[in-house]
Amino acid sequence: DADVTQTPRNRITKTGKRIMLECSQTKGHDRMYWYRQDPGLGLRLIYYSFDVKDINKGEISDGYSVSRQAQAKFSLSLESAIPNQTALYFCATSDPGTGGEGYGYTFGSGTRLTVV
Amino acid sequence: AQSVTQLDSQVPVFEEAPVELRCNYSSSVSVYLFWYVQYPNQGLQLLLKYLSGSTLVKGINGFEAEFNKSQTSFHLRKPSVHISDTAEYFCAVSSNAGGTSYGKLTFGQGTILTVHP
Repeated sequence: DADVTQTPRNRITKTGKRIMLECSQTKGHDRMYWYRQDPGLGLRLIYYSFDVKDINKGEISDGYSVSRQAQAKFSLSLESAIPNQTALYFCATSDPGTGGEGYGYTFGSGTRLTVV
Repeated sequence: AQSVTQLDSQVPVFEEAPVELRCNYSSSVSVYLFWYVQYPNQGLQLLLKYLSGSTLVKGINGFEAEFNKSQTSFHLRKPSVHISDTAEYFCAVSSNAGGTSYGKLTFGQGTILTVHP
């Protein structure tokens, strides 16, 4: 099994619908992140969590919410999906204890979301 | 705040030619630097990282990068590319000090490397 698992892999949804993207990890890392990838823009941070009780907004959090259900689970929700949220979404974990900040980043395979 | 600029959005090159993908960064504190690769329809894979020490960093698949603090650059190089190197490459920076950027990766816009036969 993958260290970081994202579900679903692909999703098509309608404008105005609420949708949840799920992420689970077996790395045992405290830190988890949600990024969004758009062509020509790279990856941008949506939300991050440094432990179960710590949730922080990233640079593009509007229209999104998250839930850290456990150390291993971090879900991203689109409350009312709109077409410009069509993108590739990545979940990641990190463990700064393994040799420096960012040393131990592990990414999931991504969820391709299309809002029509 | 920190930012990353990848100077080329697309780089076409012929097989066995050398390549350089350019990355500049901006940060008010010391940083760690990374290059990731994304093959078509796949996630991100770490190519190499600079944390400290030698400014020339060697990574997987024959890639290397050089940290230049005075020019705030971290360019990626490979002396001879293969068709299989066709992918999108991302430069990323993470603060190694405290502050609002601590522990978070900030990515560049990506460079699409296309290797032609």
